[in-house]
Amino acid sequence: GQQLNQSPQSMFIQEGEDVSMNCTSSSIFNTWLWYKQDPGEGPVLLIALYKAGELTSNGRLTAQFGITRKDSFLNISASIPSDVGIYFCAGPSGGSNYKLTFGKGTLLTVNP
Amino acid sequence: NAGVMQNPRHLVRRRGQEARLRCSPMKGHSHVYWYRQLPEEGLKFMVYLQKENIIDESGMPKERFSAEFPKEGPSILRIQQVVRGDSAAYFCASSPLQLEGNTIYFGEGSWLTVV
Repeated sequence: GQQLNQSPQSMFIQEGEDVSMNCTSSSIFNTWLWYKQDPGEGPVLLIALYKAGELTSNGRLTAQFGITRKDSFLNISASIPSDVGIYFCAGPSGGSNYKLTFGKGTLLTVNP
Repeated sequence: NAGVMQNPRHLVRRRGQEARLRCSPMKGHSHVYWYRQLPEEGLKFMVYLQKENIIDESGMPKERFSAEFPKEGPSILRIQQVVRGDSAAYFCASSPLQLEGNTIYFGEGSWLTVV
């Protein structure tokens, strides 16, 4: 089945730094979703992308839908301690629009 | 996360026991999805249900796992004769229509530990 590869697996940064993470696939996705999961909680949708080349912002977060439809990027500017968590990319797969494939996540640690 | 209620939040079962996980979708939502998250993994789709119907159970293990979403009451994910490998976080999500990307809402999860 379709797989999503996220990198890096983990990041340790200082408060105030910018962060960039990406997600790649060997096959095309028509929608890219970025979620954040706090420890012991469910994933919360941050940004949804529906069109190749689309660039969408949500506060300090910016995500882009790659032109090839096989990748997506998430940037966080001026990180703060509450940005700590696991960031997942996801997209509908298997020919359905409800069966989401998730990457394995990028663990972000922010040092105050 | 707001509105999708899962219980119990944490459940410990001995090998061979049964685990029942409940999910009440957001008000007005009639579509429910169950996902499983193994340690240090992303979420994996298990099953998609509408009221009284299983629409897609292609992600469900063939044995011991079942799901229902009755006309009244919450959706239930049932795991019979649990084994250690069933230890995971189980997330329920709901939507008002079939998933349209930004309209799926996950609950806070039920963490199952099999000892």
